[in-house]
Amino acid sequence: GENVEQHPSTLSVQEGDSAVIKCTYSDSASNYFPWYKQELGKGPQLIIDIRSNVGEKKDQRIAVTLNKTAKHFSLHITETQPEDSAVYFCAARFSNAGGTSYGKLTFGQGTILTVHP
Amino acid sequence: GAVVSQHPSRVICKSGTSVKIECRSLDFQATTMFWYRQFPKQSLMLMATSNEGSKATYEQGVEKDKFLINHASLTLSTLTVTSAHPEDSSFYICSAGTPQYFGPGTRLTVL
Repeated sequence: GENVEQHPSTLSVQEGDSAVIKCTYSDSASNYFPWYKQELGKGPQLIIDIRSNVGEKKDQRIAVTLNKTAKHFSLHITETQPEDSAVYFCAARFSNAGGTSYGKLTFGQGTILTVHP
Repeated sequence: GAVVSQHPSRVICKSGTSVKIECRSLDFQATTMFWYRQFPKQSLMLMATSNEGSKATYEQGVEKDKFLINHASLTLSTLTVTSAHPEDSSFYICSAGTPQYFGPGTRLTVL
């Protein structure tokens, strides 16, 4: 089955700096990679996702890059703010072209991001 | 994004009792919903896949007779923790949709 490794486990940055979280996956058939942000006591919130036919995707201060050959993908947060502090999870899944195949999400171990004011 | 709700948000029960958790997709229909369990400072662990109108698919090591799942409609799945014990205390989260959206979670504490 799929295995997802996430690093680092904790990340501390100063407000305004960039933060990068990296994940590697094992199953070359995986073609969908979402990132979730989880605040304490809440459910995970989808912040960005990418499919394997795209190398990079950006949404304001958040970007995700994907290297299919190396089987790794990364989350980039620029101009970090204290409200970005949370636990971030990467995940991988196989999905058919129409996005209707419900392959199971496999999650990374999580990264605790702390942004200091 | 799509909205998934859970009820209750937290529950405290005595050992030996059963607890039912509801998961609803509020603005879309979901033939498949997922149930996860999360221990403190750990990642999400998939427990089972809930399928509307058919039996749930459980992950290896998850007791299907202890964690009963019912997906009776396209917007509602329920997880019942039967004969709950303190080791069942955890954060239970459901998800649905494509992409997958998560509910707010249910904190279960078994005394």
